[in-house]
Amino acid sequence: AQKITQTQPGMFVQEKEAVTLDCTYDTSDQSYGLFWYKQPSSGEMIFLIYQGSYDEQNATEGRYSLNFQKARKSANLVISASQLGDSAMYFCAMREAYSSASKIIFGSGTRLSIRP
Amino acid sequence: DAMVIQNPRYQVTQFGKPVTLSCSQTLNHNVMYWYQQKSSQAPKLLFHYYDKDFNNEADTPDNFQSRRPNTSFCFLDIRSPGLGDAAMYLCATSDQRGPQHFGDGTRLSIL
Repeated sequence: AQKITQTQPGMFVQEKEAVTLDCTYDTSDQSYGLFWYKQPSSGEMIFLIYQGSYDEQNATEGRYSLNFQKARKSANLVISASQLGDSAMYFCAMREAYSSASKIIFGSGTRLSIRP
Repeated sequence: DAMVIQNPRYQVTQFGKPVTLSCSQTLNHNVMYWYQQKSSQAPKLLFHYYDKDFNNEADTPDNFQSRRPNTSFCFLDIRSPGLGDAAMYLCATSDQRGPQHFGDGTRLSIL
């Protein structure tokens, strides 16, 4: 069964510093997708970045990058030059296989707080 | 803009009184999901549809039902809400490989 683990319940970071949010996963499938979402206090879930299991290069989207280490089954999110607006809950998620029964499960989340 | 819309944004119901939450999408995605999220917790998948195929999570209470009459609409029915069902309910859509697109959620309160 698939499983996502986020070991950092909360983090405090100084504005403009880089921050790494940890995510490890467990799956027996060779084909899977990894996602990161941001959830501000207003409640909406915002898709940030995606990494496919067969992608050779780490995904990047603006200030977000995904440090994908397949052998270690980790998919850490790196936010460069953090901003006050980055304060939110961050969820790592995984879709196992690309079948009609595929579903996306979430880790427990990390609450990131940016200090001015 | 293509999007996922949930109505209402806030719903208040009485203990034991049936309630229906709705979700619509203009993305033409074939997969639709319902999640329950309680404060500071991860979203918990209740069920999802791939086209008309319904997939229920093993630990979803029987109290929760869903309908998907067509590609665009999906409903969550709570037959007899209890105090423990107070939560944010999130609807999401995706195609078979891509990320999920979420609505803004419906916050359900039980009196």
